[in-house]
Amino acid sequence: DTEVTQTPKHLVMGMTNKKSLKCEQHMGHRAMYWYKQKAKKPPELMFVYSYEKLSINESVPSRFSPECPNSSLLNLHLHALQPEDSALYLCASSPHAGAGTGELFFGEGSRLTVL
Amino acid sequence: AQSVTQLDSQVPVFEEAPVELRCNYSSSVSVYLFWYVQYPNQGLQLLLKYLSGSTLVKGINGFEAEFNKSQTSFHLRKPSVHISDTAEYFCAVISLSGSARQLTFGSGTQLTVLP
Repeated sequence: DTEVTQTPKHLVMGMTNKKSLKCEQHMGHRAMYWYKQKAKKPPELMFVYSYEKLSINESVPSRFSPECPNSSLLNLHLHALQPEDSALYLCASSPHAGAGTGELFFGEGSRLTVL
Repeated sequence: AQSVTQLDSQVPVFEEAPVELRCNYSSSVSVYLFWYVQYPNQGLQLLLKYLSGSTLVKGINGFEAEFNKSQTSFHLRKPSVHISDTAEYFCAVISLSGSARQLTFGSGTQLTVLP
């Protein structure tokens, strides 16, 4: 199994809603990532988990809350988002934690629209 | 600090013609280099990588890239493109020193293959 699975594929939410994005991998990878991608732009790193611990938070607003329940799962909890948070949210994993080699395995993304 | 410059934001090319997508990087230390491809409405997929060894790297779908240290370049090439190669291509770099090494993406090149 060489896939990173993200759900839901599409999500529409209001600014007062609470929702979650989910990501799952069964490749035994030790690092998992959340990226945000706006249209026609490269992915921007949000969070990195290494061995289930948050190792990097790229100054992301607190309305985004990551969670890593176990080595295979990664969640992104969303609350009180703004319309400018509308984007494609990509989950990725890599075999090595820490610095890593830069080889990432991406899911297909969750396309979020905030109304 | 590391950075990546993709010199062309859009590259239109006719089917069965050759193509080169240009990438230059900047880093004060040794690097690993990558090309990722993103098809419409999908996540990113690793196309090829340079870690060490031969400077000519072959990847999936007939693509190859050459690492040129003196010119700090890592251009992507394919001798004959297909309609299905239409996608966004991202060059990426990770430096081999520092405690928080993460992937840096270029701004992307949209390859459009015309019939």
